[in-house]
Amino acid sequence: DTGVSQDPRHKITKRGQNVTFRCDPISEHNRLYWYRQTLGQGPEFLTYFQNEAQLEKSRLLSDRFSAERPKGSFSTLEIQRTEQGDSAMYLCASSPLKGRATEAFFGQGTRLTVV
Amino acid sequence: LAKTTQPISMDSYEGQEVNITCSHNNIATNDYITWYQQFPSQGPRFIIQGYKTKVTNEVASLFIPADRKSSTLSLPRVSLSDTAVYYCLVEIQGAQKLVFGQGTRLTINP
Repeated sequence: DTGVSQDPRHKITKRGQNVTFRCDPISEHNRLYWYRQTLGQGPEFLTYFQNEAQLEKSRLLSDRFSAERPKGSFSTLEIQRTEQGDSAMYLCASSPLKGRATEAFFGQGTRLTVV
Repeated sequence: LAKTTQPISMDSYEGQEVNITCSHNNIATNDYITWYQQFPSQGPRFIIQGYKTKVTNEVASLFIPADRKSSTLSLPRVSLSDTAVYYCLVEIQGAQKLVFGQGTRLTINP
């Protein structure tokens, strides 16, 4: 079990640039989540996939954000025209559909800094 | 959504038992209570989950009174490595996501 893998671990970008993060969930986990976490706050839900279907999106996911899970395996989160307020830790989590949704496995996150 | 309330921070010492209480007054009949632990620069890690009475695993115990309006996470004989943020979550039946609050920042001192 290699756990949930996220790439890159750190990303520094200039304001206005586009960035893309990748998440590889635990094999055969149907559920995949993206969360965002800022300093001192708990993770905030962004979006949820069940296999390749994006079933829920938070209002936090503005038009500049898009997430995909094309084959129901890995997922990508893209932020277009980054702003300083996008600086945060972006967390991916996965869980099997048969289990409880609250028993999720998180990756180590991608820390984004927008300068 | 059932809202949870827990202390912002707690301090303790190595070797002590630490109890973190969470209030969830609006918990619904079918909702479960879940606790996560998060170390700096890492994602949260599932610790324990329960519905009523007491649940124990190798990491912690979870005590839930009969009215289920609160729960207590108990960490026996803490060490410095237990310094982390602990989140209490209430699972919403049928919901597919976790909703985190601010958590409790636990600091263990030598």
